[in-house]
Amino acid sequence: AQRVTQPEKLLSVFKGAPVELKCNYSYSGSPELFWYVQYSRQRLQLLLRHISRESIKGFTADLNKGETSFHLKKPFAQEEDSAMYYCARSTGGGNKLTFGTGTQLKVEL
Amino acid sequence: GAGVSQSPSNKVTEKGKDVELRCDPISGHTALYWYRQSLGQGLEFLIYFQGNSAPDKSGLPSDRFSAERTGGSVSTLTIQRTQQEDSAVYLCAVNLGAKTQYFGPGTRLLVL
Repeated sequence: AQRVTQPEKLLSVFKGAPVELKCNYSYSGSPELFWYVQYSRQRLQLLLRHISRESIKGFTADLNKGETSFHLKKPFAQEEDSAMYYCARSTGGGNKLTFGTGTQLKVEL
Repeated sequence: GAGVSQSPSNKVTEKGKDVELRCDPISGHTALYWYRQSLGQGLEFLIYFQGNSAPDKSGLPSDRFSAERTGGSVSTLTIQRTQQEDSAVYLCAVNLGAKTQYFGPGTRLLVL
């Protein structure tokens, strides 16, 4: 079964500190991976996808096939980054998403 | 652009009652998905529609759950004889292309 693992339920950092949200996936061919974010009282929304190799809101994520990881990073955390972050992979012919259990990021002043 | 609305936004029901949850995407999205977000299980896939057909129903947790889609647009998720463990937020999403999905605001279901 395709699995996505986020080992941390909660990550608390101070404003201005670096952030790394961990994500590992079970190996299976060429994975298509995403990070979704859910801010308080807002809908779940796409943050970034590995294919585009983009930086959104200062966040980046690099696919490491050797370590089967797709960690989300930001060099300097901001208060507005506080949210729930989900790592996900697209699977199957219908491209359904398999999600990790999520990491709650709390940025403290 | 993308747009997905869901109704009701909140639903409280008694154990044993049936409920219907609605997803209303703006037109043009052939692929539609239902997910469930609960404290115990996180975010889980339920069912996927391509047009009006459901080629993947593998996530439906029991035969009390069913879904349909009409006109390649509106979809309804029905839960019969609700149980307390059905309490969750039910999310609908459409495919935006490049395998990314746009999510609706969800329906928060509470079964008493």
